[in-house]
Amino acid sequence: EDQVTQSPEALRLQEGESSSLNCSYTVSGLRGLFWYRQDPGKGPEFLFTLYSAGEEKEKERLKATLTKKESFLHITAPKPEDSATYLCAVRDQTSGSRLTFGEGTQLTVNP
Amino acid sequence: DARVTQTPRHKVTEMGQEVTMRCQPILGHNTVFWYRQTMMQGLELLAYFRNRAPLDDSGMPKDRFSAEMPDATLATLKIQPSEPRDSAVYFCASGLVRLAGNEQFFGPGTRLTVL
Repeated sequence: EDQVTQSPEALRLQEGESSSLNCSYTVSGLRGLFWYRQDPGKGPEFLFTLYSAGEEKEKERLKATLTKKESFLHITAPKPEDSATYLCAVRDQTSGSRLTFGEGTQLTVNP
Repeated sequence: DARVTQTPRHKVTEMGQEVTMRCQPILGHNTVFWYRQTMMQGLELLAYFRNRAPLDDSGMPKDRFSAEMPDATLATLKIQPSEPRDSAVYFCASGLVRLAGNEQFFGPGTRLTVL
């Protein structure tokens, strides 16, 4: 059974203070690791898909990286508008289109 | 701007009543997913369809929940009878599933409260 663990559960940063969120996973044959952002009262918003170890993707202040056991979401010089819950999910080779989500990291960026 | 739409956005009902939630997936997407999100359980997959055919409903309490896709532009999730423990936010998502990948695009959700 796939397992996804995100840490920390919550993170408070000052504006401009860079940091990283962690997503540790256990799957049998990774078919994709996904990062989503969720704002209060809204549905998750797709950010990135990573497929293989060593892969990196960037979008504005966010950069996602992947190893064989974990993924990091690096946030460079965050702004208050980056405050949200960040969700990680995995798809494996045996689960069809099913995604297994982690519990999320709630990020707060103070001005 | 293509996006998943869901109705209603909010629903308050009494225990025992039937609840129907509707979803319009993004045009051209071949897979539709229903999720439930609660503080305790996080985001859980209830069921999903490929080309309107149900592929996996193992996450759904089958005695009271049912999901259908009457056509390619409409997916429904019904609860009958509803119970207080069904209170949650229900999300619909759609995607164009390929061998790898499977980005899913979520709707705004239906917040259900069962009294």
